Amino acid sequence: NAGVTQTPKFRILKIGQSMTLQCTQDMNHNYMYWYRQDPGMGLKLIYYSVGAGITDKGEVPNGYNVSRSTTEDFPLRLELAAPSQTSVYFCASRIDSSNQPQHFGDGTRLSIL
Amino acid sequence: GIQVEQSPPDLILQEGANSTLRCNFSDSVNNLQWFHQNPWGQLINLFYIPSGTKQNGRLSATTVATERYSLLYISSSQTTYSGVYFCAVERRGGGADGLTFGKGTHLIIQP
Repeated sequence: NAGVTQTPKFRILKIGQSMTLQCTQDMNHNYMYWYRQDPGMGLKLIYYSVGAGITDKGEVPNGYNVSRSTTEDFPLRLELAAPSQTSVYFCASRIDSSNQPQHFGDGTRLSIL
Repeated sequence: GIQVEQSPPDLILQEGANSTLRCNFSDSVNNLQWFHQNPWGQLINLFYIPSGTKQNGRLSATTVATERYSLLYISSSQTTYSGVYFCAVERRGGGADGLTFGKGTHLIIQP
């Protein structure tokens, strides 16, 4: 099993550009999450999904959109990139609401210039 | 929301030393995880430990849920243990709220 796979690993965007960060998991997990990590800080939740077709906002959703058309994939979209969105983005998954750990991808390092 | 405080924020040790990292949280939890973030930025899941004690090699962790704290013990540390250690919790009854992370303990192991 590959676990949670994120692409790309690195990306530089210009202000105002848009892009989609990809996340896919092969563990048949129902719950998926997007977090961001700013320098010197812990991670903060952007959006989460409890299954295909169901998404909800986390602590810091402004400037982002998500969709969940399949169990495996949970892409995160930035529509108008801003310097404040420079961060490292992590995707995670968990099987469901039972007491199980979250599994994290390796992250996408995004710079907005 | 739930608050997570980690201490100490920074720790510098010589190789072979032992250390204890602490995580305090402000509410009942049904998930607590310890992570090691390595110099390449990867988050390595060390323990899933909402209660009780677990050990894995030179690492062990204890969570006392009734008193709302968790401890991570590192014994005979090696330079490869350097990095940032995060505690993250999920509030009991929070559904799929996701993990709330502390600010981490930055550990430097010197040879």
